[in-house]
Amino acid sequence: AQSVTQPDIHITVSEGASLELRCNYSYGATPYLFWYVQSPGQGLQLLLKYFSGDTLVQGIKGFEAEFKRSQSSFNLRKPSVHWSDAAEYFCAVGVYQAGTALIFGKGTTLSVSS
Amino acid sequence: NAGVTQTPKFRILKIGQSMTLQCAQDMNHNYMYWYRQDPGMGLKLIYYSVGAGITDKGEVPNGYNVSRSTTEDFPLRLELAAPSQTSVYFCASSVGHTGELFFGEGSRLTVL
Repeated sequence: AQSVTQPDIHITVSEGASLELRCNYSYGATPYLFWYVQSPGQGLQLLLKYFSGDTLVQGIKGFEAEFKRSQSSFNLRKPSVHWSDAAEYFCAVGVYQAGTALIFGKGTTLSVSS
Repeated sequence: NAGVTQTPKFRILKIGQSMTLQCAQDMNHNYMYWYRQDPGMGLKLIYYSVGAGITDKGEVPNGYNVSRSTTEDFPLRLELAAPSQTSVYFCASSVGHTGELFFGEGSRLTVL
């Protein structure tokens, strides 16, 4: 069955430091992969997506992610974190059967310290 | 352009009551979804629809029903509310197999 694992429940990073959020997936075919961000009290917003091609994808707000098929991973990175990046981050895999839907990981909460 | 609109934003139900969560989108998206979000559990798909008149179950459909009579609207019906249905419900839409979902702001439901 398809699944997404985000090993880190909560991460704290100092403002200006680099960030890496981990994501591992389980999917039989070539996956469509996504990272979404959720600010408190809000819905989710797409940060970036991977469908095919270049394994390093760029997203909004200075985020990037790298698809590594050999490791079944799609880790999210940012070189320098801002206080406004504090939020919950969700990795998701697209499941395309009769319809289409996303399977989400349980999320990683990012706190930014000054 | 309002995007995805959910109503109500907050609701408290008593056990056994029924209610409908409304969802409307103005982007002419064919695909619509209902997710529930529980603390530490991520989002779980309840139902989805690939177009008017077509709906299908997701991961956690028990206790819910949906209908899709128009492209714009995708209401979620809770019958005989139970405490286990206390959650935040998100409606989302997408133009197709892109996986780029547009989410509403959520409806927080408490069942007491």
